[in-house]
Formats: sequence, C-alpha cells, structure tokens
Amino acid sequence: AQSVTQLGSHVSVSEGALVLLRCNYSSSVPPYLFWYVQYPNQGLQLLLKYTSAATLVKGINGFEAEFKKSETSFHLTKPSAHMSDAAEYFCAVSFDAGNMLTFGGGTRLMVKP
Amino acid sequence: ETGVTQTPRHLVMGMTNKKSLKCEQHLGHNAMYWYKQSAKKPLELMFVYNFKEQTENNSVPSRFSPECPNSSHLFLHLHTLQPEDSALYLCASSQDPQTTNYGYTFGSGTRLTVV
Repeated sequence: AQSVTQLGSHVSVSEGALVLLRCNYSSSVPPYLFWYVQYPNQGLQLLLKYTSAATLVKGINGFEAEFKKSETSFHLTKPSAHMSDAAEYFCAVSFDAGNMLTFGGGTRLMVKP
Repeated sequence: ETGVTQTPRHLVMGMTNKKSLKCEQHLGHNAMYWYKQSAKKPLELMFVYNFKEQTENNSVPSRFSPECPNSSHLFLHLHTLQPEDSALYLCASSQDPQTTNYGYTFGSGTRLTVV
C-alpha cells in the first residue's frame, strides 16, 4: 500500500541549530512530494514541492528538501533554526497526477532560545 | 491572503444548533476539499468536490452536510453535532484532482467548539 510516514511527532532544536524533519514514503511509482507548514490556528501553507525536476528543492523561509529515490525519503532541512520556525510541518504525497494528496501525521517543531 | 477564505474563523455552537461553514476561492480552481483536524490526530479528509460534483465522502456522519453551488464556493452545514466534533475545519482547493502535482491551497480554517 502507498503511504507517507513522518518520523517523530515532536522535534526540539535550539535557535541557530540545524533543523531536520523526516519524511518517508512507500510507493512503486515516482511520487509528487510536498512540505506544508501550519502555524497555530492557521491553515496549511506550502513550503516547497518536488515534481520530478531537480532533486534538491528550495522553498520559502530558508527551508529545502532533497528527494532520495534510493531511500524513498524527502527530508526537510534548514541550516539555522529561528524562533519563528516553531510550527507543525506536514509531508504530503501524490502518487500520480490523478490522485489526491496523502498527508503524513505531522511533526511539531519546537525552537528553544 | 491565501486565495482561499473561510468564515467564520471561530464558531461556538450548542449540540442542538444548526450552523454553516463557508469557503470561497478565487484561484480558478475546480476541486475543493473539506478536512477535519483534531488535536493529536492526522488530517482527516471529509469531502471532495470536482466541478461541483461530490466525488468523495469519507464515511462522514450525516450531521455534516456539504454543499457546492459552484466551483468557487463550498459550504459545510452542521446540525446536532457532538462535543467530539470540536476541531479545526480546513477547506482546500486545487486546479482539479488530475493535477495534484501542483498541490493544494488551504484556507485558514474555522475553529469549531461544540458545547
């Protein structure tokens, strides 16, 4: 079955530290991959997306993600965390252009001063 | 402004009330979605509309009744809700389900509290 998994429902980092949020998918076909961010009491905002062009995708707010087919992963990174990055992050996958998005369970990022 | 507007932002209703949530998009999208987001639970897809036709009903109780009069507007009519229906209700849109490689655009949500 096709699925998407976010490892770690909560991640805590210090301000200025590297942010790494993990996303793995299970699929027999190349997927379309997305990262969304949700601030408290807000909707989901698109951070970045991979649609079979460059494997390293740059998004907003200094985030980037790398598609690794061999590892079936699409981890989200940011070199230096800011307090304003504290939010919930969702990985989402579409397994072909005709399917709806499947969302992971989300990872709450906490940034310590 | 995300292009998808949801009203009201907050709603408190009694279990015997009837209320409606509204979603409006001006992006020229043809597919619209309702999601339920409860604390400590994954996003739950409730309904999908494509070109005003309902294409998905994810086993949602009948106390939730969607309406899509045109491709720009989506409603969720609520009646005789239960306290466990308290959640953030999110509306989203996409060009159409055949082009999900573009992703969804979400509204800011309606925070519903059932008392």
